[in-house]
Amino acid sequence: QQPVQSPQAVILREGEDAVINCSSSKALYSVHWYRQKHGEAPIFLMILLKGGEQKGHDKISASFNEKKQQSSLYLTASQLSYSGTYFCGTGVGNEKLTFGTGTRLTIIP
Amino acid sequence: EAGVAQSPRYKIIEKRQSVAFWCNPISGHATLYWYQQILGQGPKLLIQFQNNGVVDDSQLPKDRFSAERLKGVDSTLKIQPAKLEDSAVYLCASSLQGPVEAFFGQGTRLTVV
Repeated sequence: QQPVQSPQAVILREGEDAVINCSSSKALYSVHWYRQKHGEAPIFLMILLKGGEQKGHDKISASFNEKKQQSSLYLTASQLSYSGTYFCGTGVGNEKLTFGTGTRLTIIP
Repeated sequence: EAGVAQSPRYKIIEKRQSVAFWCNPISGHATLYWYQQILGQGPKLLIQFQNNGVVDDSQLPKDRFSAERLKGVDSTLKIQPAKLEDSAVYLCASSLQGPVEAFFGQGTRLTVV
């Protein structure tokens, strides 16, 4: 079953922060985050494994709460280059990678 | 390091025709995925291979779609016969074994008219 993301879309001014959530009805082994720009292939951002870890690079970080079967992606001080559609991908058991419904992020100057 | 190669980039066919897509994964990647992405939606997993064995094909419409991975390297995805609702971008991705980063190809945009 496909993970559900919220919000579906968000518009930010450059420099503002955003949080994107990903929820699954199944127990998760791993959560992946990808960004896709229009007409391009998804690009990997980070992966989190069960254990409640938090990761980040630059101004993008994520958390994974395996008990709640949820993950959140945090974008701080957003830049124009952050625009795109963000997908969480969930890995269950045999590592089947299932993508969520997507969150479209638009950054305006 | 060469990325995931897919061909063709674009394809337009009439309904009921057949079409095949080709994917060459990154060298050494045991896992290969085929996804279907309809405009405005997230990628939907069609089939996942581990080497040349199928790990999951639960969402592959087997009455019209087929896929194979020869010798655990290249893979082809075929649609026969195509329907209008098959219009989408077909993405191939590969990864090392385990919960690690998946690398995507540029995709094949299929239009069925």
